[in-house]
Amino acid sequence: GAGVSQTPSNKVTEKGKYVELRCDPISGHTALYWYRQSLGQGPEFLIYFQGTGAADDSGLPNDRFFAVRPEGSVSTLKIQRTERGDSAVYLCASSLRVDTEAFFGQGTRLTVV
Amino acid sequence: GDSVTQMEGPVTLSEEAFLTINCTYTATGYPSLFWYVQYPGEGLQLLLKATKADDKGSNKGFEATYRKETTSFHLEKGSVQVSDSAVYFCALSDWTSYDKVIFGPGTSLSVIP
Repeated sequence: GAGVSQTPSNKVTEKGKYVELRCDPISGHTALYWYRQSLGQGPEFLIYFQGTGAADDSGLPNDRFFAVRPEGSVSTLKIQRTERGDSAVYLCASSLRVDTEAFFGQGTRLTVV
Repeated sequence: GDSVTQMEGPVTLSEEAFLTINCTYTATGYPSLFWYVQYPGEGLQLLLKATKADDKGSNKGFEATYRKETTSFHLEKGSVQVSDSAVYFCALSDWTSYDKVIFGPGTSLSVIP
């Protein structure tokens, strides 16, 4: 596709449920990033993939959060036992290499009720 | 740790007014500095960047100069248009951890005709 695609665009889930958020990066981009943006705040780094491996997961808030990128392209962010505080917009970005411009998707708005 | 502070919004200006959005940063290394913009209903986009002291980034009539002595990267535009209405994020990436971008909280700008 022409840009970074994230699905779904909106997700409402009940507290305690499991959710998966998907990111399709720009074709050929080896670097992929997940960020979380809470209301009124700037995006906060969660995790960075170089190829298939998570090169830096220091931003994941706790062990309920996990992300994979098994074939070095599509990535899935997984959240277990969701809490109301997980409600935010989850942004994905990709770049050709780690030192080149990152392009952002429009995000998935997650609401935990 | 590294951080970014920017002026609080919302900022409301009349068309053709002069714009300044202040941004200061704290970093232990030698960061690259960015301004990102988020137009209504769209994803984050890189507006401009500067990679070393005294560099000036510019794009679409916007400018920002990397001032190491004042640790600042203020965004300016001489004459704003209604189409500039958006949220602007100042951000940095430190060479020691260039995989992650640290964002400020964002400044909402509304330009009225």
